[in-house]
Amino acid sequence: GDSVTQMEGPVTLSEEAFLTINCTYTATGYPSLFWYVQYPGEGLQLLLKATKADDKGSNKGFEATYRKETTSFHLEKGSVQVSDSAVYFCALSISGGYNKLIFGAGTRLAVHP
Amino acid sequence: DVKVTQSSRYLVKRTGEKVFLECVQDMDHENMFWYRQDPGLGLRLIYFSYDVKMKEKGDIPEGYSVSREKKERFSLILESASTNQTSMYLCASSPDRGSLTEAFFGQGTRLTVV
Repeated sequence: GDSVTQMEGPVTLSEEAFLTINCTYTATGYPSLFWYVQYPGEGLQLLLKATKADDKGSNKGFEATYRKETTSFHLEKGSVQVSDSAVYFCALSISGGYNKLIFGAGTRLAVHP
Repeated sequence: DVKVTQSSRYLVKRTGEKVFLECVQDMDHENMFWYRQDPGLGLRLIYFSYDVKMKEKGDIPEGYSVSREKKERFSLILESASTNQTSMYLCASSPDRGSLTEAFFGQGTRLTVV
């Protein structure tokens, strides 16, 4: 079945460090791919998305490129801030599937000054 | 501003109680979803609905039911709460059947069953 695998956390970085959170997927169709972020005490909010191969999603300095050949959608940021501390979820959605999202387990990021 | 509102942030219920979790969206979305979030497991889909009075089982429907009498409201019901249903519950909505647009989430309800 369709699934998403994320790197395990927690990821602990110093401010201004480079961030990569790995995400790979398995899907029978042609999924759209998403990164959601959950700040402490809040629900999930969309960070970025990509709907087809080679698309790059970007927002708030974060980027991820839809790589069909490696079935990956890794999240990157060049210089993290303390305010980026949160849990990050990779997710996929299959066309025709009522826009159901299938989530990875989540990766907790802690950024220290 | 789009909004999905869950009726409670925190709930404490006793084993065997019938529990209602309410969710309301103001975006006129067709699709609504209930997920539970547990550490190390991510979000797992319990039930979803793509129209009024329509419902579909997700990946973990056992012990739960849902109700969607109006388009804007989607309720999750725990028929007889058990301790293994202690979790964070997240409601979400999205427009259009089969659309690839984003889902919008409520702030979550942390349910503790004692």
